[in-house]
Amino acid sequence: NAGVTQTPKFRVLKTGQSMTLLCAQDMNHEYMYWYRQDPGMGLRLIHYSVGEGTTAKGEVPDGYNVSRLKKQNFLLGLESAAPSQTSVYFCATRTGGMNTEAFFGQGTRLTVV
Amino acid sequence: DAKTTQPTSMDCAEGRAANLPCNHSTISGNEYVYWYRQIHSQGPQYIIHGLKNNETNEMASLIITEDRKSSTLILPHATLRDTAVYYCIVRPYTGTASKLTFGTGTRLQVTL
Repeated sequence: NAGVTQTPKFRVLKTGQSMTLLCAQDMNHEYMYWYRQDPGMGLRLIHYSVGEGTTAKGEVPDGYNVSRLKKQNFLLGLESAAPSQTSVYFCATRTGGMNTEAFFGQGTRLTVV
Repeated sequence: DAKTTQPTSMDCAEGRAANLPCNHSTISGNEYVYWYRQIHSQGPQYIIHGLKNNETNEMASLIITEDRKSSTLILPHATLRDTAVYYCIVRPYTGTASKLTFGTGTRLQVTL
């Protein structure tokens, strides 16, 4: 049981390049979230999804797109990377209901040069 | 969303109880208090949550004041491995998805 798996773990991009981060979960959770964490700061919500085929914006959605074509996968895309997007990205999942905990992946460290 | 206020940092001697406070004075009646921690640069880890009653599990205890405006996370016997950033989160229930919004947390340093 892998839980929440993020791919890749590390990546260096040049400004203007594009990439996709993958979050995969094997817990059959309905809700999935993408966060970014900058040095010395808390996590900020980028986008989230309440189920297959649905996505919604979080606190800091600009510059990112997401897709949830399959329930177990949540993709975060950067169409044209900028240095300001250098950060650690975390994916989280949880099952539905009002009284459930979230499970986090181990993070993707992205550097844009 | 109700906001939370936590001290920036705290120290605790190993073997002693670590008491981490959190203020959430604008909490609504249907909002839960959740605690997570983040060790070094790992993904956050769930610790405990509660609505209005005190809660205890194998990791910690959560004490919520009667007016629910504040809470305290208690690690009864802190160890060096408890050194982490601890996040207190108030989670709204919207009926669909509820966001999990993090603040900057409390950096707990456990020392020998």
